[in-house]
Amino acid sequence: AQSVTQLGSHVSVSEGALVLLRCNYSSSVPPYLFWYVQYPNQGLQLLLKYTTGATLVKGINGFEAEFKKSETSFHLTKPSAHMSDAAEYFCAVSDLRGGANSKLTFGKGITLSVRP
Amino acid sequence: KAGVTQTPRYLIKTRGQQVTLSCSPISGHRSVSWYQQTPGQGLQFLFEYFSETQRNKGNFPGRFSGRQFSNSRSEMNVSTLELGDSALYLCASSLQDTSTDTQYFGPGTRLTVL
Repeated sequence: AQSVTQLGSHVSVSEGALVLLRCNYSSSVPPYLFWYVQYPNQGLQLLLKYTTGATLVKGINGFEAEFKKSETSFHLTKPSAHMSDAAEYFCAVSDLRGGANSKLTFGKGITLSVRP
Repeated sequence: KAGVTQTPRYLIKTRGQQVTLSCSPISGHRSVSWYQQTPGQGLQFLFEYFSETQRNKGNFPGRFSGRQFSNSRSEMNVSTLELGDSALYLCASSLQDTSTDTQYFGPGTRLTVL
């Protein structure tokens, strides 16, 4: 069964600092990987996704993530945090089996706070 | 293109009642998935519908059910509500395959059970 681990529930950074949110996954087959963001009182919005090909994936709002198969990781980074980045971030994995087994498995989420 | 819409946005019910939540997917999307989000358990998959058929189901009791109509709109129903059912219920739509296609989420329905 596939699973996602997001270490820690809360990360706090200063405005302008590097953002690093960690995600490790477990999957028996090559996965698709996703990062979603959730702002207060809203649904989830896709930041970026990895399917195949280039392992460094660029997303919206200046975020990027790198798929490292050897480390089973898909960490999310942003060079310079902005106050508007404060939100909850979810990593998710799908196992590509499709059909009756199609589903996304989400991590517990990480709350990002940005200090002025 | 309009996004995923969910109604109602907020709902207050008492224990033992039942509730129906509605989700309208993005036009052209045929797959609709439902998730329960709580502070303790995070995002948990409830079920997925495709072409009016339940294609996948999570580990929730039979009190949780759903259906999908021919226009891809979906409803979920929770019977005999319990306090623990208080949560944000999120609906997501995708073109066909939830494993590969991007899922687009609605704003959710906040259910409070008293």
